[in-house]
Amino acid sequence: GIQVEQSPPDLILQEGANSTLRCNFSDSVNNLQWFHQNPWGQLINLFYIPSGTKQNGRLSATTVATERYSLLYISSSQTTDSGVDFCAVEPKDSSYKLIFGSGTRLLVRP
Amino acid sequence: DGGITQSPKYLFRKEGQNVTLSCEQNLNHDAMYWYRQDPGQGLRLIYYSQIVNDFQKGDIAEGYSVSREKKESFPLTVTSAQKNPTAFYLCASSIRRGSYTFGSGTRLTVV
Repeated sequence: GIQVEQSPPDLILQEGANSTLRCNFSDSVNNLQWFHQNPWGQLINLFYIPSGTKQNGRLSATTVATERYSLLYISSSQTTDSGVDFCAVEPKDSSYKLIFGSGTRLLVRP
Repeated sequence: DGGITQSPKYLFRKEGQNVTLSCEQNLNHDAMYWYRQDPGQGLRLIYYSQIVNDFQKGDIAEGYSVSREKKESFPLTVTSAQKNPTAFYLCASSIRRGSYTFGSGTRLTVV
């Protein structure tokens, strides 16, 4: 089955710093989403981005489907960004099944 | 507001007991899913349903059962056959080729 790899696994930032998270996937996909999991376990949809670039405030994401990767950019990080960011893909050969990467655990220090 | 409601938030199970986790959505989504998350891990798919009265096994279906009698509801039963059920369980729903929405989860602990 499809493999989804995220890097880095852990990231510590000083408040105000910028960073880039990467998601590589091993096969063609229909969909790709970035989620943020807060300390209470809630999964919050950051971006639905099967291709192209989107921006939402301090966050932006780019997916290059032909090269099988996606990037999540965090600018001017805040302590509230702490948590785990997950990339998840829906493989072309298995519609309606979202496959998750292992996540990037983010800690933003004041 | 539309969304997904999971209950209970916390659940304790004794050895050998079956327990049922509730998931209800009012988003009018056709597809619903159950995922399991272990500490420090990503999410793994247990079961999914694309339409009422139909569901398929995911990657870790052993020891679990589901039903889909109504579009809005997709309950998950953790049976006594599931040897290591302590985990965080997340329910989700989606439209075709659309983004997924998740509930707030149920933490199940075996006591």
